[in-house]
Amino acid sequence: DGGITQSPKYLFRKEGQNVTLSCEQNLNHDAMYWYRQDPGQGLRLIYYSQIVNDFQKGDIAEGYSVSREKKESFPLTVTSAQKNPTAFYLCASSWGGANSNQPQHFGDGTRLSIL
Amino acid sequence: DQQVKQNSPSLSVQEGRISILNCDYTNSMFDYFLWYKKYPAEGPTFLISISSIKDKNEDGRFTVFLNKSAKHLSLHIVPSQPGDSAVYFCAAGGAKGTNAGKSTFGDGTTLTVKP
Repeated sequence: DGGITQSPKYLFRKEGQNVTLSCEQNLNHDAMYWYRQDPGQGLRLIYYSQIVNDFQKGDIAEGYSVSREKKESFPLTVTSAQKNPTAFYLCASSWGGANSNQPQHFGDGTRLSIL
Repeated sequence: DQQVKQNSPSLSVQEGRISILNCDYTNSMFDYFLWYKKYPAEGPTFLISISSIKDKNEDGRFTVFLNKSAKHLSLHIVPSQPGDSAVYFCAAGGAKGTNAGKSTFGDGTTLTVKP
């Protein structure tokens, strides 16, 4: 089955630690995205990538980093510089290019909590 | 400044009746609009979309209406079913400028359909 896999589903981090969230897709999509969702709020864009080896900052990129070395993979690192990392993180992919008219396919998310 | 707004956090309707979910936007550069549905602990799934060159798009029980002059769109679900109970997100995007390649999401409306 084609889809997007996010792992782990739940993740705990000690203060001061970096942590990496995994996102893999086998849909052959060019574009991939990372969002953060806080309770009662919508999805806020952290980073996005329209093509391998290229990515752009979204609206709330501070304290996060990404890489796009392979088309299928777009890992997100939450660094110690992110002061409020507890949230639900969603990864998505779509047929890419500059058009935003392609629907995004989402993974089931990773819930990150600070111990 | 929130560019996509869903002013009703929640909506409750009786099974079989019409559900109307509303969305307003401020950026006139948006030219494509999408609705997503989200169940708890899952990622959003694409529901229906509309291009700015149209004012209506229909898919089964779901119809999206776009009023460009008012910068307003709405999602109609007829008839509503208990399985439609979920959070609905409105998203907007465009092919040009800072909107290229990404979507901006509203905060969502929680729809409850009562049997």
